[in-house]
Amino acid sequence: GENVEQHPSTLSVQEGDSAVIKCTYSDSASNYFPWYKQELGKRPQLIIDIRSNVGEKKDQRIAVTLNKTAKHFSLHITETQPEDSAVYFCAASYPAYGNKLVFGAGTILRVKS
Amino acid sequence: DTAVSQTPKYLVTQMGNDKSIKCEQNLGHDTMYWYKQDSKKFLKIMFSYNNKELIINETVPNRFSPKSPDKAHLNLHINSLELGDSAVYFCASSQGFLGAYGYTFGSGTRLTVV
Repeated sequence: GENVEQHPSTLSVQEGDSAVIKCTYSDSASNYFPWYKQELGKRPQLIIDIRSNVGEKKDQRIAVTLNKTAKHFSLHITETQPEDSAVYFCAASYPAYGNKLVFGAGTILRVKS
Repeated sequence: DTAVSQTPKYLVTQMGNDKSIKCEQNLGHDTMYWYKQDSKKFLKIMFSYNNKELIINETVPNRFSPKSPDKAHLNLHINSLELGDSAVYFCASSQGFLGAYGYTFGSGTRLTVV
């Protein structure tokens, strides 16, 4: 079956520190891994994604890494700022299930100033 | 212009009522989805349509019936509402189907059943 586990469920960091959120997926056929940020009362918004033919992708302070062998992928946020505070969701596509995205349970990130 | 728009934004209704949520996207995407976000923030897929055709139907009670009159619209009708239906419902769309692409979400409909 399809499953995405996400850790930690909550994460508090000091402004300027780095934050790392990790996810694992169950299907080796998964080939697309997006990350979404959801601010309170708002919609989830795509912040970065990675495909299975790439091991790492970076966009300014945000980077994502993918280990296909271990079925792990991670979000790295450097130099965190208070506006990074939100709920972050990882997701993985499942080709055998209509290519739907299955989401992790989310990580509440708090950046303390 | 809003890319994926849902109406209404808030919906408060009594148990047993029937209600509908509408969704429209102007991105030219082929695939649309309904997700439910519960009080613990967990996002769970309910339905997916590709070019008006149902492709994913999770184990959702048959009180929930999606309808897609064309590929730009995906509506959700809920019969005999129950307390446990209270949640935020998100519509989303994506560019393709055979290859996975990122979703664009609507702003959500907060449904409260009293």
